[in-house]
Amino acid sequence: DTAVSQTPKYLVTQMGNDKSIKCEQNLGHDTMYWYKQDSKKFLKIMFSYNNKELIINETVPNRFSPKSPDKAHLNLHINSLELGDSAVYFCASSQGQGDYSPLHFGNGTRLTVT
Amino acid sequence: DAKTTQPPSMDCAEGRAANLPCNHSTISGNEYVYWYRQIHSQGPQYIIHGLKNNETNEMASLIITEDRKSSTLILPHATLRDTAVYYCIVRVAPGKLIFGQGTTLQVKP
Repeated sequence: DTAVSQTPKYLVTQMGNDKSIKCEQNLGHDTMYWYKQDSKKFLKIMFSYNNKELIINETVPNRFSPKSPDKAHLNLHINSLELGDSAVYFCASSQGQGDYSPLHFGNGTRLTVT
Repeated sequence: DAKTTQPPSMDCAEGRAANLPCNHSTISGNEYVYWYRQIHSQGPQYIIHGLKNNETNEMASLIITEDRKSSTLILPHATLRDTAVYYCIVRVAPGKLIFGQGTTLQVKP
């Protein structure tokens, strides 16, 4: 069973389009995250949600909007896609919010904007 | 910015122990050291973490110096499947992992 699953695995789209990436975790964790890995392989946190409430927003453009319908899901919507949005996006989850429990990552969604 | 410094790459012979060093000289007293690895095309995988004491689990051992300014991740019997990028991370806040460039470990037959 996949603990943190993301769909789609690959996403190719044109500039200006709007797209969504879905994430689900079956670990019963309270906190979920989105991380971005750019072409230089640096991983940076974008958002975190705890029980559907936004906790961390790391100065991400307003075109990116996370949505958490329940604590097992955290979807990422991106409007007006730009070339610079091309990257691998990783969803992750952890047990709690105020603790230091390890993060469990999905296998990523490779977004290519042409 | 990452609070850790790691060598960019290392080689290890299959079956031997892989010792991956990490410097974190500015670590604060309540900040944990975490190790993750990323195998090509996969998401980061948690390995181990610690605060002051040495830690061991089924994957690896973590040795933290007494002054906490450096640590070493030990993979006791490296296999080809351990080839990956290994990240040493000082966790500054819950959920907020700041990844550096990591060490690319190449395990060779």
